[in-house]
Amino acid sequence: NAGVTQTPKFQVLKTGQSMTLQCAQDMNHEYMSWYRQDPGMGLRLIHYSVGAGITDQGEVPNGYNVSRSTTEDFPLRLLSAAPSQTSVYFCASSRGAGGSADTQYFGPGTRLTVL
Amino acid sequence: DAKTTQPPSMDCAEGRAANLPCNHSTISGNEYVYWYRQIHSQGPQYIIHGLKNNETNEMASLIITEDRKSSTLILPHATLRDTAVYYCIVRALLGIQGAQKLVFGQGTRLTINP
Repeated sequence: NAGVTQTPKFQVLKTGQSMTLQCAQDMNHEYMSWYRQDPGMGLRLIHYSVGAGITDQGEVPNGYNVSRSTTEDFPLRLLSAAPSQTSVYFCASSRGAGGSADTQYFGPGTRLTVL
Repeated sequence: DAKTTQPPSMDCAEGRAANLPCNHSTISGNEYVYWYRQIHSQGPQYIIHGLKNNETNEMASLIITEDRKSSTLILPHATLRDTAVYYCIVRALLGIQGAQKLVFGQGTRLTINP
């Protein structure tokens, strides 16, 4: 299994541009999430999904959209990039809720810079 | 959401046991304690989790006090590769179908010295 994969690894955008961060998992996990990590900080939840077609907001959803059309993929869209969105973005997945099913597996991250 | 408190940094000699403390005094009865670590700028890596009882796996041991207000992660024989930021996290349920939210704090930066 490849686990959780993210593309691209690095991205530089100009203010106002839009882009999509890709996330895929091959573990047939129902739950997927997007976090951002700012320098010296812990991770903050942006959006999450409990299955195909079901998404909800996390702690810091403004400026981001998500959709979940398949179990495997959970893309994150930046609608109009702002310098405040400069961060490292991590995607995570877990099998489900309860006990060890909660264990989240993280991707390697996408480092985004908005100029 | 229950919050956690960890020391910002710790040092440990290579080969010795590293004991990382965590306070979670507001934890509720159905909340698990999770430990993750982040090596350099990689994605966080799951280590161990527990509810009430002490737990052990191939990576570490987790000791949870009887009142569940604190816990200790033990790396029995620390190596240089264990240098990382360690996060103690209390799992909290979200609204939709029990989806969990991991509330990350600042963590403890553990440095293993040769």
